[in-house]
Amino acid sequence: DIQMTQSPSFLSASVGDRVTINCKASQNINKYLNWYQQKLGEAPKRLIYNTNNLQTGIPSRFSGSGSGTDYTLTISSLQPEDFATYFCLQHNSFPWTFGGGTKLELK
Amino acid sequence: EVKLLESGGGLVQPGGSLRLSCAASGFTFADFYMSWIRQSPGKAPEWLSFIRNKANSYTTEYNPSVKGRFTISRDDTQNVLYLQMNTLRAEDTAIYYCAKHERAFDYWGQGVMVTVSS
Repeated sequence: DIQMTQSPSFLSASVGDRVTINCKASQNINKYLNWYQQKLGEAPKRLIYNTNNLQTGIPSRFSGSGSGTDYTLTISSLQPEDFATYFCLQHNSFPWTFGGGTKLELK
Repeated sequence: EVKLLESGGGLVQPGGSLRLSCAASGFTFADFYMSWIRQSPGKAPEWLSFIRNKANSYTTEYNPSVKGRFTISRDDTQNVLYLQMNTLRAEDTAIYYCAKHERAFDYWGQGVMVTVSS
């Protein structure tokens, strides 16, 4: 199985900050990497697919990058509604696997 | 608008069975691959199973963690996805989500709780 190591697990930031969240795969996942946002009690919502493609309706302050084994989600200027938990997902090979999550909290 | 509504969850004893359903609307269900994913409280999600469409012979994939115990199926005439879960264990306790596929999961349902406990 491909292991997805996500960092940091917790992140404290302020409105307006630029933040980055990382996922490292245990092997090359060929850019088959999605990012999801989950708020308490809600289903995850897709932000980015295949590394750097913005899901329709998602604000442009969210962006993704990476290749090979290393991937990054960047939020350019945090808004109050962005405080949530974020997960990466590799869908390069079965079983598809998620990162452990990053909880983004208000400082 | 894509809507996915899971049902069939609840409390079941260890060793028991449960069948989850996911009613889909707002898209041409028959055209899309579908998955089941679960999430234990405070944990990351875990992908469980995936079923392709008729054009791809309804073939399936499973996470080894549930292979042999869980079975995914679909009814394209009713726009419903199913997950038959057998020989349930305490560690199967989680919220179970169905998800539509387009470059992996683009839309998720709201989830249904399954609790395995005596």
